[in-house]
Amino acid sequence: AQSVTQLDSHVSVSEGTPVLLRCNYSSSYSPSLFWYVQHPNKGLQLLLKYTSAATLVKGINGFEAEFKKSETSFHLTKPSAHMSDAAEYFCVLYNFNKFYFGSGTKLNVKP
Amino acid sequence: EADIYQTPRYLVIGTGKKITLECSQTMGHDKMYWYQQDPGMELHLIHYSYGVNSTEKGDLSSESTVSRIRTEHFPLTLESARPSHTSQYLCASGLGGAEAFFGQGTRLTVV
Repeated sequence: AQSVTQLDSHVSVSEGTPVLLRCNYSSSYSPSLFWYVQHPNKGLQLLLKYTSAATLVKGINGFEAEFKKSETSFHLTKPSAHMSDAAEYFCVLYNFNKFYFGSGTKLNVKP
Repeated sequence: EADIYQTPRYLVIGTGKKITLECSQTMGHDKMYWYQQDPGMELHLIHYSYGVNSTEKGDLSSESTVSRIRTEHFPLTLESARPSHTSQYLCASGLGGAEAFFGQGTRLTVV
């Protein structure tokens, strides 16, 4: 069975502090994994993707994620949060011609 | 910016009306998807297509129907709208495991 679990529905950080958004997955086969961001009233934008190459994946806007097969995790990190990072983030798994979405994590960035 | 477009962006319509949500992409992608997203909730796949004349139901049961007569066009139709259909509908296209490109969504309200 394919599934994605985002461990935190809300994360709040102060501007300039690190961001950690957690994602665990379950997959029968080696999956492709993605992080998407959704700003209010906007479509989803791809942040980064893992497709069985390097396990540390760098994305746009300073985000990166590390694929850890032993932990079945794909956590998203950023060293220093910016106000413009406030949005909802989705961890996504691709397998068998379908994309499976996590329930989303809303990131709040305080001044 | 991805070349995938959804119209209308917002729609308020009365119960019992027939509606069609449009989705078009200019990237030549074979795979297209419709997701339903209730406020604050995760995305659920309701329909997908592998190519022209191919349509499949997704993981979440939906009373809507889709068609794929042309590669670039994947409209979703509700024959008789009900308040329970009030939601956001997101269309996506992709080349499989590489990435999915999302439209900006249609916010449907049935009154």
